[in-house]
Amino acid sequence: ILNVEQSPQSLHVQEGDSTNFTCSFPSSNFYALHWYRWETAKSPEALFVMTLNGDEKKKGRISATLNTKEGYSYLYIKGSQPEDSATYLCASVGAGNQFYFGTGTSLTVIP
Amino acid sequence: SAVISQKPSRDICQRGTSLTIQCQVDSQVTMMFWYRQQPGQSLTLIATANQGSEATYESGFVIDKFPISRPNLTFSTLTVSNMSPEDSSIYLCSGGPWNEQFFGPGTRLTVL
Repeated sequence: ILNVEQSPQSLHVQEGDSTNFTCSFPSSNFYALHWYRWETAKSPEALFVMTLNGDEKKKGRISATLNTKEGYSYLYIKGSQPEDSATYLCASVGAGNQFYFGTGTSLTVIP
Repeated sequence: SAVISQKPSRDICQRGTSLTIQCQVDSQVTMMFWYRQQPGQSLTLIATANQGSEATYESGFVIDKFPISRPNLTFSTLTVSNMSPEDSSIYLCSGGPWNEQFFGPGTRLTVL
Protein backbone atom coordinates (compact mmCIF):
# COMPACT_ATOMS: atom_id res chain seq x y z
CA ILE A 1 0.00 0.00 0.00
CA LEU A 2 1.25 3.50 -0.88
CA ASN A 3 0.28 6.41 1.35
CA VAL A 4 -0.94 9.20 -0.91
CA GLU A 5 -2.16 12.45 0.60
CA GLN A 6 -3.94 15.42 -0.88
CA SER A 7 -4.57 18.91 0.39
CA PRO A 8 -6.70 20.80 0.93
CA GLN A 9 -9.60 18.42 1.53
CA SER A 10 -12.07 20.95 0.14
CA LEU A 11 -11.93 24.32 -1.51
CA HIS A 12 -14.48 26.99 -2.38
CA VAL A 13 -13.40 29.63 -4.91
CA GLN A 14 -15.12 32.39 -6.82
CA GLU A 15 -15.60 32.08 -10.55
CA GLY A 16 -12.54 33.47 -12.30
CA ASP A 17 -10.14 32.72 -9.45
CA SER A 18 -7.13 30.52 -10.03
CA THR A 19 -6.43 27.70 -7.60
CA ASN A 20 -4.10 24.80 -6.96
CA PHE A 21 -4.02 21.53 -5.02
CA THR A 22 -1.24 19.34 -3.72
CA CYS A 23 -0.67 15.60 -3.95
CA SER A 24 2.06 13.98 -1.83
CA PHE A 25 3.29 10.44 -2.44
CA PRO A 26 6.21 8.19 -1.49
CA SER A 27 9.16 9.10 -3.70
CA SER A 28 10.79 5.67 -3.45
CA ASN A 29 9.86 3.06 -6.08
CA PHE A 30 7.91 5.68 -8.03
CA TYR A 31 6.31 4.55 -11.29
CA ALA A 32 3.69 7.10 -12.30
CA LEU A 33 1.35 9.74 -10.96
CA HIS A 34 -2.19 10.22 -12.27
CA TRP A 35 -4.68 13.03 -11.82
CA TYR A 36 -8.40 12.38 -12.19
CA ARG A 37 -11.48 14.54 -12.12
CA TRP A 38 -14.53 12.89 -10.53
CA GLU A 39 -18.03 14.26 -10.70
CA THR A 40 -20.82 12.72 -8.67
CA ALA A 41 -22.51 9.72 -10.35
CA LYS A 42 -19.94 9.70 -13.14
CA SER A 43 -16.77 7.72 -13.81
CA PRO A 44 -13.49 9.34 -12.79
CA GLU A 45 -12.08 11.13 -15.82
CA ALA A 46 -8.37 10.96 -16.51
CA LEU A 47 -6.65 14.34 -16.65
CA PHE A 48 -2.93 13.64 -16.67
CA VAL A 49 -0.41 10.87 -16.25
CA MET A 50 3.14 11.88 -15.41
CA THR A 51 6.25 9.80 -14.98
CA LEU A 52 9.35 11.98 -15.15
CA ASN A 53 10.69 14.38 -12.55
CA GLY A 54 9.94 17.89 -13.76
CA ASP A 55 7.07 16.79 -16.00
CA GLU A 56 4.56 19.50 -16.74
CA LYS A 57 1.25 18.74 -18.45
CA LYS A 58 -1.47 21.10 -19.60
CA LYS A 59 -5.02 20.64 -20.83
CA GLY A 60 -6.87 23.89 -21.43
CA ARG A 61 -6.99 25.84 -18.17
CA ILE A 62 -5.71 22.90 -16.12
CA SER A 63 -2.05 22.06 -15.68
CA ALA A 64 0.04 19.85 -13.44
CA THR A 65 3.65 19.51 -12.34
CA LEU A 66 5.59 16.63 -10.87
CA ASN A 67 8.53 16.41 -8.46
CA THR A 68 9.46 12.76 -7.98
CA LYS A 69 12.51 13.50 -5.83
CA GLU A 70 10.51 15.14 -3.08
CA GLY A 71 7.28 13.25 -3.79
CA TYR A 72 4.69 15.84 -4.73
CA SER A 73 2.57 17.03 -7.61
CA TYR A 74 0.57 20.22 -8.04
CA LEU A 75 -2.61 20.65 -10.04
CA TYR A 76 -3.44 24.19 -11.16
CA ILE A 77 -6.73 25.54 -12.48
CA LYS A 78 -6.60 28.97 -14.08
CA GLY A 79 -9.73 31.11 -14.14
CA SER A 80 -12.00 28.58 -12.40
CA GLN A 81 -15.45 28.03 -13.88
CA PRO A 82 -18.54 26.48 -12.22
CA GLU A 83 -18.14 23.43 -14.46
CA ASP A 84 -14.76 22.80 -12.83
CA SER A 85 -16.59 21.87 -9.62
CA ALA A 86 -15.67 18.25 -8.89
CA THR A 87 -13.42 16.11 -6.75
CA TYR A 88 -9.84 15.97 -8.01
CA LEU A 89 -8.01 12.76 -7.23
CA CYS A 90 -4.36 11.87 -7.59
CA ALA A 91 -3.08 8.31 -7.68
CA SER A 92 0.38 6.85 -7.43
CA VAL A 93 0.97 3.64 -9.36
CA GLY A 94 2.50 0.69 -7.51
CA ALA A 95 4.84 -2.02 -8.76
CA GLY A 96 1.95 -4.28 -9.79
CA ASN A 97 0.12 -1.49 -11.65
CA GLN A 98 -2.17 -0.93 -8.66
CA PHE A 99 -3.47 2.60 -8.27
CA TYR A 100 -3.31 4.11 -4.78
CA PHE A 101 -5.48 7.16 -4.49
CA GLY A 102 -5.30 10.19 -2.28
CA THR A 103 -8.27 11.42 -0.32
CA GLY A 104 -9.18 13.91 -3.02
CA THR A 105 -9.77 17.65 -3.09
CA SER A 106 -13.38 18.72 -3.46
CA LEU A 107 -13.57 21.93 -5.48
CA THR A 108 -16.64 24.16 -5.55
CA VAL A 109 -16.60 27.13 -7.90
CA ILE A 110 -19.13 29.76 -6.90
CA PRO A 111 -20.69 31.70 -9.79
CA SER B 1 -9.83 3.91 -24.82
CA ALA B 2 -12.15 1.53 -23.02
CA VAL B 3 -15.71 1.89 -21.79
CA ILE B 4 -16.58 0.18 -18.53
CA SER B 5 -20.08 -0.50 -17.31
CA GLN B 6 -21.21 -1.70 -13.92
CA LYS B 7 -24.38 -3.35 -12.69
CA PRO B 8 -26.26 -2.54 -10.58
CA SER B 9 -25.77 1.21 -10.44
CA ARG B 10 -27.19 1.26 -6.95
CA ASP B 11 -28.85 -1.06 -4.46
CA ILE B 12 -30.25 -1.07 -0.97
CA CYS B 13 -29.65 -4.34 0.86
CA GLN B 14 -30.45 -5.89 4.18
CA ARG B 15 -27.83 -6.74 6.76
CA GLY B 16 -26.48 -10.28 6.41
CA THR B 17 -27.21 -10.63 2.69
CA SER B 18 -24.74 -10.61 -0.21
CA LEU B 19 -24.58 -8.55 -3.39
CA THR B 20 -22.65 -9.31 -6.57
CA ILE B 21 -21.49 -6.37 -8.67
CA GLN B 22 -20.67 -6.92 -12.32
CA CYS B 23 -18.07 -5.04 -14.31
CA GLN B 24 -17.97 -5.26 -18.11
CA VAL B 25 -15.26 -3.77 -20.34
CA ASP B 26 -15.83 -3.22 -24.04
CA SER B 27 -12.31 -4.38 -24.88
CA GLN B 28 -9.82 -6.85 -23.45
CA VAL B 29 -7.76 -5.56 -20.55
CA THR B 30 -5.08 -7.42 -18.68
CA MET B 31 -5.48 -5.65 -15.37
CA MET B 32 -8.76 -5.05 -13.57
CA PHE B 33 -9.16 -3.59 -10.11
CA TRP B 34 -11.90 -3.11 -7.54
CA TYR B 35 -12.15 -0.07 -5.27
CA ARG B 36 -14.37 1.12 -2.45
CA GLN B 37 -15.17 4.66 -1.39
CA GLN B 38 -16.76 4.83 2.03
CA PRO B 39 -18.55 8.06 2.99
CA GLY B 40 -16.04 10.86 3.43
CA GLN B 41 -13.11 8.65 2.43
CA SER B 42 -10.94 8.28 -0.64
CA LEU B 43 -10.98 5.50 -3.17
CA THR B 44 -9.42 2.46 -1.49
CA LEU B 45 -8.08 -0.43 -3.53
CA ILE B 46 -9.73 -3.71 -2.53
CA ALA B 47 -8.03 -6.14 -4.88
CA THR B 48 -6.51 -6.83 -8.26
CA ALA B 49 -8.67 -9.19 -10.33
CA ASN B 50 -6.39 -11.60 -12.19
CA GLN B 51 -7.67 -13.55 -15.18
CA GLY B 52 -7.24 -17.26 -14.64
CA SER B 53 -6.04 -17.03 -11.06
CA GLU B 54 -7.18 -15.86 -7.65
CA ALA B 55 -7.49 -12.16 -6.96
CA THR B 56 -4.76 -10.38 -5.04
CA TYR B 57 -6.17 -8.58 -2.01
CA GLU B 58 -4.87 -5.46 -0.31
CA SER B 59 -4.24 -5.36 3.41
CA GLY B 60 -7.51 -5.28 5.30
CA PHE B 61 -9.54 -7.08 2.64
CA VAL B 62 -10.11 -10.85 2.50
CA ILE B 63 -11.49 -13.26 -0.04
CA ASP B 64 -14.24 -14.57 2.23
CA LYS B 65 -15.72 -11.08 2.52
CA PHE B 66 -15.05 -9.88 -1.04
CA PRO B 67 -14.86 -12.88 -3.40
CA ILE B 68 -13.88 -11.83 -6.92
CA SER B 69 -14.22 -13.64 -10.22
CA ARG B 70 -12.38 -12.86 -13.46
CA PRO B 71 -13.50 -15.45 -16.02
CA ASN B 72 -12.10 -13.60 -19.03
CA LEU B 73 -10.34 -10.41 -20.12
CA THR B 74 -13.52 -8.31 -20.37
CA PHE B 75 -15.50 -9.21 -17.25
CA SER B 76 -15.19 -9.37 -13.47
CA THR B 77 -17.49 -9.60 -10.49
CA LEU B 78 -17.11 -8.50 -6.89
CA THR B 79 -19.35 -9.96 -4.20
CA VAL B 80 -19.88 -8.14 -0.93
CA SER B 81 -20.73 -10.96 1.49
CA ASN B 82 -22.63 -10.99 4.77
CA MET B 83 -23.14 -7.26 4.53
CA SER B 84 -23.28 -4.84 7.43
CA PRO B 85 -24.02 -1.09 7.43
CA GLU B 86 -20.25 -0.48 7.40
CA ASP B 87 -20.18 -1.89 3.85
CA SER B 88 -22.27 1.03 2.61
CA SER B 89 -20.00 2.55 -0.02
CA ILE B 90 -19.51 3.27 -3.67
CA TYR B 91 -17.78 0.34 -5.35
CA LEU B 92 -15.87 1.00 -8.58
CA CYS B 93 -14.07 -1.25 -10.98
CA SER B 94 -11.31 -0.16 -13.31
CA GLY B 95 -9.24 -1.66 -16.07
CA GLY B 96 -6.33 -0.83 -18.30
CA PRO B 97 -2.57 -0.51 -18.28
CA TRP B 98 -0.54 1.53 -15.81
CA ASN B 99 -0.66 4.65 -17.97
CA GLU B 100 -4.32 4.62 -18.93
CA GLN B 101 -6.77 3.34 -16.35
CA PHE B 102 -10.50 3.53 -17.11
CA PHE B 103 -13.22 3.45 -14.50
CA GLY B 104 -16.79 2.28 -14.32
CA PRO B 105 -19.50 4.66 -13.07
CA GLY B 106 -19.68 2.93 -9.70
CA THR B 107 -22.24 0.98 -7.70
CA ARG B 108 -23.74 2.84 -4.76
CA LEU B 109 -24.53 0.32 -2.03
CA THR B 110 -26.59 1.08 1.06
CA VAL B 111 -26.87 -1.58 3.74
CA LEU B 112 -29.68 -1.23 6.26
